[in-house]
Amino acid sequence: QKEVEQDPGPLSVPEGAIVSLNCTYSNSAFQYFMWYRQYSRKGPELLMYTYSSGNKEDGRFTAQVDKSSKYISLFIRDSQPSDSATYLCAMPGNNAGNMLTFGGGTRLMVKP
Amino acid sequence: EAQVTQNPRYLITVTGKKLTVTCSQNMNHEYMSWYRQDPGLGLRQIYYSMNVEVTDKGDVPEGYKVSRKEKRNFPLILESPSPNQTSLYFCASSFGRANTEAFFGQGTRLTVV
Repeated sequence: QKEVEQDPGPLSVPEGAIVSLNCTYSNSAFQYFMWYRQYSRKGPELLMYTYSSGNKEDGRFTAQVDKSSKYISLFIRDSQPSDSATYLCAMPGNNAGNMLTFGGGTRLMVKP
Repeated sequence: EAQVTQNPRYLITVTGKKLTVTCSQNMNHEYMSWYRQDPGLGLRQIYYSMNVEVTDKGDVPEGYKVSRKEKRNFPLILESPSPNQTSLYFCASSFGRANTEAFFGQGTRLTVV
């Protein structure tokens, strides 16, 4: 079992829909949770990060962490075709190098 | 503009020919790292550096070397590339040692024939 799991998709939604992207993880030591967006042939771009449990909102994006369930979510409101990308969750480990563990990514397609 | 710059963006080379991929950041970040991204395997960390002259292995270090002589630069060295090192490589940097808010370069697509 991978340490961080994501449904690879693709997830196809119409423009304007609310999108829910999710990750589950197994390491209870994870404290920080990050969401990245990666367009084709580009580097991952940091969208948001949260610390511990709770919600964080930034424009159309909301990140939610439920540490008791080891489950994190990214919600996108009023989705746009420009949101079409692969979304990766990532967590720095609680080790000397704080190495990031990434989920495999969910590919999102927003259709006009 | 804050950025992580990698060069080259694309590289085709032959087995055994030493190569270096450069990485530079202009954000005065302490933490820098290298990843490779492969279909089905996702992003995996190769090496990281928590400061100048401090480097350590990540999850997949075999066949790679790094150095950190200056804070802004973190080159990745393949002494004797092999076809299984064909991949998409990313350099990243982050401000603190907690490695939150990592910023990634645009990637280097390497093909070893």
